[in-house]
Amino acid sequence: QLQLQESGPGLVKPSETLSLTCTVSGGSISSSSYYWGWIRQPPGKGLEWIGSIYYSGTTYYNPSLKSRVTISVDTSKKQLSLRLSSVTAADTAVYYCARRLGTVTHFDYWGQGTLVTVSS
Amino acid sequence: QSVLTQPPSVSAAPGQKVTISCSGSSSNIGNNYVSWYQQLPGTAPKLLIYENDKRPSGIPDRFSGSKSGTSATLGITGLQTGDEADYYCGTWDSSLSVHAVFGGGTQLTVL
Repeated sequence: QLQLQESGPGLVKPSETLSLTCTVSGGSISSSSYYWGWIRQPPGKGLEWIGSIYYSGTTYYNPSLKSRVTISVDTSKKQLSLRLSSVTAADTAVYYCARRLGTVTHFDYWGQGTLVTVSS
Repeated sequence: QSVLTQPPSVSAAPGQKVTISCSGSSSNIGNNYVSWYQQLPGTAPKLLIYENDKRPSGIPDRFSGSKSGTSATLGITGLQTGDEADYYCGTWDSSLSVHAVFGGGTQLTVL
């Protein structure tokens, strides 16, 4: 059974960079069939797509966040990473990693999510 | 402000049927597949419906999806208390170049 597990600091200071890792187990991160994405959910609010990546390293970002986001993949470690720079309180959210079958398809597997709070 | 519009809440009694609507435009729902996700309290979203009306393995046939024009609908029959959750529709938007857009979510209460 495929499992995704997010990890990283739960508290980040304003203006600093948020860094998270998603570890994939029970399946291949290098399969040509899948893309991997990051989605976030502010407390009490809805879902926002941050970006997606293919195992080759091709990335797709939400235009509203593109200037601050970097997503990368390390196939040897079966991990994908998220970096979000110049964070503010508005970036406080639960961050999920998820798998999708194509660049614009549904997300079929999700990690449990990790809460990141931006505060001094 | 979400790209896709859902009612904030719906409610129904156990055993009854409920529908949740999701409204969009020609640049998103009108020309793309719709998916639906269930988010139980304190948990991650779970895929319920994909490609408008398909159910992943393990999802009971009490859950159904449909699409017409620029709107989509999630139907749930034989409501159970365990169905109380937030439900989100999703697709992608070609005009915004956003590879995934979601509705604001609908909270289902089983009275």
